[in-house]
Amino acid sequence: QKEVEQDPGPLSVPEGAIVSLNCTYSNSAFQYFMWYRQYSRKGPELLMYTYSSGNKEDGRFTAQVDKSSKYISLFIRDSQPSDSATYLCAMSAGEGSSNTGKLIFGQGTTLQVKP
Amino acid sequence: DAGVTQSPTHLIKTRGQQVTLRCSPKSGHDTVSWYQQALGQGPQFIFQYYEEEERQRGNFPDRFSGHQFPNYSSELNVNALLLGDSALYLCASSLTLDTQYFGPGTRLTVL
Repeated sequence: QKEVEQDPGPLSVPEGAIVSLNCTYSNSAFQYFMWYRQYSRKGPELLMYTYSSGNKEDGRFTAQVDKSSKYISLFIRDSQPSDSATYLCAMSAGEGSSNTGKLIFGQGTTLQVKP
Repeated sequence: DAGVTQSPTHLIKTRGQQVTLRCSPKSGHDTVSWYQQALGQGPQFIFQYYEEEERQRGNFPDRFSGHQFPNYSSELNVNALLLGDSALYLCASSLTLDTQYFGPGTRLTVL
């Protein structure tokens, strides 16, 4: 079983839809949670960073972490064709009060937003 | 401010050869991590360098080695290439480990 599970999709939605992307994980030591966006043939771009449980909002993006369920989500409001990309969840464990920085990624979900 | 840069962009090697990939971190960043991303998969952690030393290592064989220079730039070396080493190799730099910024990657094809 993989430490981080993510449905690869593809997920196709019409422009303006609300998109929900999710990951589950098995390692209770994970404390730091990230979402990256990766366009074809490019490196991942950091979208959201969250420490421990809770919600974080940045523009059209909202990240949620539920450590009790080992479940994280990314919501995209008013989706645009330019949001079409692969979305990767990533997480890392803590070492004392610090982040180890060893990112464990999900497989990535391919999103297509149709005009 | 230049972001993370990697060279070369892509290269083709044959089985058994050796390859060296290079990474220049974002200005002010002192930690470099390397990841391997196979087609259709998420990146996998290879190792992390800080203060010119390997601080952490993922589940990769000793054929994968690295180095960090005093200016924080880094190299990834892979010996005795296998077909399965074909992938996108990503470098990420950070100042605090909470946020890592990735370069565009080097696409390695092993024939």
